[in-house]
Amino acid sequence: NAGVTQTPKFQVLKTGQSMTLQCAQDMNHEYMSWYRQDPGMGLRLIHYSVGAGITDQGEVPNGYNVSRSTTEDFPLRLLSAAPSQTSVYFCASSVAGGASGANVLTFGAGSRLTVL
Amino acid sequence: GQQLNQSPQSMFIQEGEDVSMNCTSSSIFNTWLWYKQDPGEGPVLLIALYKAGELTSNGRLTAQFGITRKDSFLNISASIPSDVGIYFCAGHSRSNYQLIWGAGTKLIIKP
Repeated sequence: NAGVTQTPKFQVLKTGQSMTLQCAQDMNHEYMSWYRQDPGMGLRLIHYSVGAGITDQGEVPNGYNVSRSTTEDFPLRLLSAAPSQTSVYFCASSVAGGASGANVLTFGAGSRLTVL
Repeated sequence: GQQLNQSPQSMFIQEGEDVSMNCTSSSIFNTWLWYKQDPGEGPVLLIALYKAGELTSNGRLTAQFGITRKDSFLNISASIPSDVGIYFCAGHSRSNYQLIWGAGTKLIIKP
């Protein structure tokens, strides 16, 4: 059972380039989310989805786009990378989110992005 | 955005020592979660707490849901080298759809 799979694990971009971080889960979880982790700041929510076809913004959505065409996949797109987006990105999923569940998240192993 | 106050920020301890860390919030939570992140990996759930006053153990780890519902504590007894990593608390309230995260406590064991 793979759980939450993120690719790539490492990526270096130049300012202005675009890329997509991939996330896939095989647990039939309805809720999926993207976080970024920066030193001393913990985990900050970028975007989330409560089911296929539904996405919403988190705490730090600027510069990122998401889509959820299937239950399994939740890609994160950087349209024009900036040095401020240098970070470690985590995808996480759960059976349900918000008040209907305890938000017990299963995390991927992370994608380390450097923007020069 | 709202954050939990997690302390200490980091800890240097000797192998075999007990460890305590805590999180406090200005608002009431109905769920507290404790996660551990090993170097190069994503966070993994250690303990989930759902009721005020609840005390739950997972091996050498014990966590408590504070009576005021505004704090939670995590204790690790007799620390071992594999305990190193970053420990995160997270809380959930009915008024907030998403989890609120602490900034993490980094545990380092002195050689």
